[in-house]
Amino acid sequence: EVQLVQSGAEVNKPGESLRISCKVSGYRFTAYWISWVRQMPGKGLEWMGTIDPSDSYTTYSPSFQGRVTISGDKSVSTAYLQWSSLKASDTAIYFCARHNLKALAGIPYWYFDLWGRGTLVTVSS
Amino acid sequence: QTVVTQEPSLTVSPGGTVTLTCASSTGAVTSANYPNWFQQKPGQPPRALIYSTSNKHSWTPARFSGSLLGGKAALTLANVQPEDEAEYYCLLHYGAIWVFGGGTKLTVL
Repeated sequence: EVQLVQSGAEVNKPGESLRISCKVSGYRFTAYWISWVRQMPGKGLEWMGTIDPSDSYTTYSPSFQGRVTISGDKSVSTAYLQWSSLKASDTAIYFCARHNLKALAGIPYWYFDLWGRGTLVTVSS
Repeated sequence: QTVVTQEPSLTVSPGGTVTLTCASSTGAVTSANYPNWFQQKPGQPPRALIYSTSNKHSWTPARFSGSLLGGKAALTLANVQPEDEAEYYCLLHYGAIWVFGGGTKLTVL
């Protein structure tokens, strides 16, 4: 089955570091980009950044640049989102989503299709 | 900072038709923004509906359609069903980054 399996809920204190994961199965890890998306309590979706697992090329939203690091490990087909120093405002659900670019008859199409179920991160002293 | 704007809320009657829009602070939305649309129900992850303006996934109900309308991306729901009540998000591409709209809460009443 094609799926993105995210790591379990986390409870951390401000200032702690954290890494959450998104393990893919049912397809070749390097064939699709993986994006991370934040959803704060009761709020909308925010695109944080993305990684191309084939070469670990990453891009970030200006809102998240320098605040988080996205990485990937081809040996375990897993993408990661990490913080070096959490803040209370990082409390949110974090989703991973795969996407890709395809061309049909010379026309490019970017598509998002599969999402993980989300990881709840709670940061509280 | 690029801002993508959607209607905060819309209400539609069962069986009716409703159009949700997605505007960009940088100007007209075009196919080069590769608009994607998602549906999210409470407690669930988003579900992809439309990609690259008007293309449906294999699981997308036929009553959903995407287009460009008046410089915006648009999602039209025809013959709306009670189960379509949800939050809907658009996502636009700007070179190397993507930006979500604020979401539209669709009420079916």
